[in-house]
Amino acid sequence: KQEVTQIPAALSVPEGENLVLNCSFTDSAIYNLQWFRQDPGKGLTSLLLIQSSQREQTSGRLNASLDKSSGRSTLYIAASQPGDSATYLCAVNLDNQGGKLIFGQGTELSVKP
Amino acid sequence: DGGITQSPKYLFRKEGQNVTLSCEQNLNHDAMYWYRQDPGQGLRLIYYSQIVNDFQKGDIAEGYSVSREKKESFPLTVTSAQKNPTAFYLCASSMFKGGAKNIQYFGAGTRLSVL
Repeated sequence: KQEVTQIPAALSVPEGENLVLNCSFTDSAIYNLQWFRQDPGKGLTSLLLIQSSQREQTSGRLNASLDKSSGRSTLYIAASQPGDSATYLCAVNLDNQGGKLIFGQGTELSVKP
Repeated sequence: DGGITQSPKYLFRKEGQNVTLSCEQNLNHDAMYWYRQDPGQGLRLIYYSQIVNDFQKGDIAEGYSVSREKKESFPLTVTSAQKNPTAFYLCASSMFKGGAKNIQYFGAGTRLSVL
């Protein structure tokens, strides 16, 4: 059974710092991996999607990498800002599962001014 | 305005009562999903539907029911059989039925509490 784990559960950094969020999964047979952002009491916003054949994706200050063989993904945030404060969730899309996503528990990020 | 609309934003359920959460999308997406989120946890899949008049159970379907009579709508009923319904419920949709580009788009959620 696929399990997705995110470490750490919470992270607090000063503004301007570069940071890395980690996501690991137990079964390498995935179609893709997505990173989402969730603000308190809100829905999820898709940040980046990495297909299983790709190694990384970039959007602005965000860079996500994928290493299927080791079952790991990282989300790198450059020059963090207070507006980046949110919970970040990763999710894997399994082969032959009709688009079902398996989510990690999330990392709650706080960027202090 | 394109997107996914969930209503109501807050819902209260009395013991023994069934309640229905609404999810409507105007993105012309084929697939729709219902997730449950408990505090400090990730999302767990309740039900999903890839096409009208068809749906599949997710990991935690017990105590819930759904219908998919229209492409745009995927309502979720929380039945009295669900003994711990207090949670944040999120609806999502995606363009593709599966495959590498299955980006899911989410609604703003419904917070359900028990009176």
